[in-house]
Amino acid sequence: SAVISQKPSRDICQRGTSLTIQCQVDSQVTMMFWYRQQPGQSLTLIATANQGSEATYESGFVIDKFPISRPNLTFSTLTVSNMSPEDSSIYLCSVGRINGEKLFFGSGTQLSVL
Amino acid sequence: GENVEQHPSTLSVQEGDSAVIKCTYSDSASNYFPWYKQELGKRPQLIIDIRSNVGEKKDQRIAVTLNKTAKHFSLHITETQPEDSAVYFCAAIPGGTSYGKLTFGQGTILTVHP
Repeated sequence: SAVISQKPSRDICQRGTSLTIQCQVDSQVTMMFWYRQQPGQSLTLIATANQGSEATYESGFVIDKFPISRPNLTFSTLTVSNMSPEDSSIYLCSVGRINGEKLFFGSGTQLSVL
Repeated sequence: GENVEQHPSTLSVQEGDSAVIKCTYSDSASNYFPWYKQELGKRPQLIIDIRSNVGEKKDQRIAVTLNKTAKHFSLHITETQPEDSAVYFCAAIPGGTSYGKLTFGQGTILTVHP
């Protein structure tokens, strides 16, 4: 499986600010995704990070709130904008190679918004 | 869209017993079903997966069965050990072009008592 590094591992932020999370993979991958895991909950897909084009967002998530970049096949960022306490969650990037199967997750970013 | 239901939400067993977690899905075109284990504070780890053209898959103490007609799949852990204690998530990838768009079940907290 790929080695997936995610930074920061955790952060405490003030309401109204923004945080950018980085995901770096040690090899080129076809597909990269961003998931959110709210406290004590399951995982929900935020968006698919497309290399060289705009991300594809799932229902309930919008680009203004969660802008995503993917400049190449090994790196992506997710920004959580204008944060509120409801954004407190674990944010996980995930990568897959073949047809999106066998997805592996980064170590996650634990975000707390005060 | 796809909907995945997972039961039970909590499961408590004695060391050495077997544990079974069940999931149902709604999209009959779904074709890939992974299981993830998440220990406290850690990322979800892929432990086993099955494709829709297979009815059963086994890896040491872990097995997954799939019933396409009934649209359900199950995780079986035999000879449980305390280190099996974690949250387990089932997931499904809907059919069509939903590559990598995992829909997760709600999770099962498994506790194995020594």
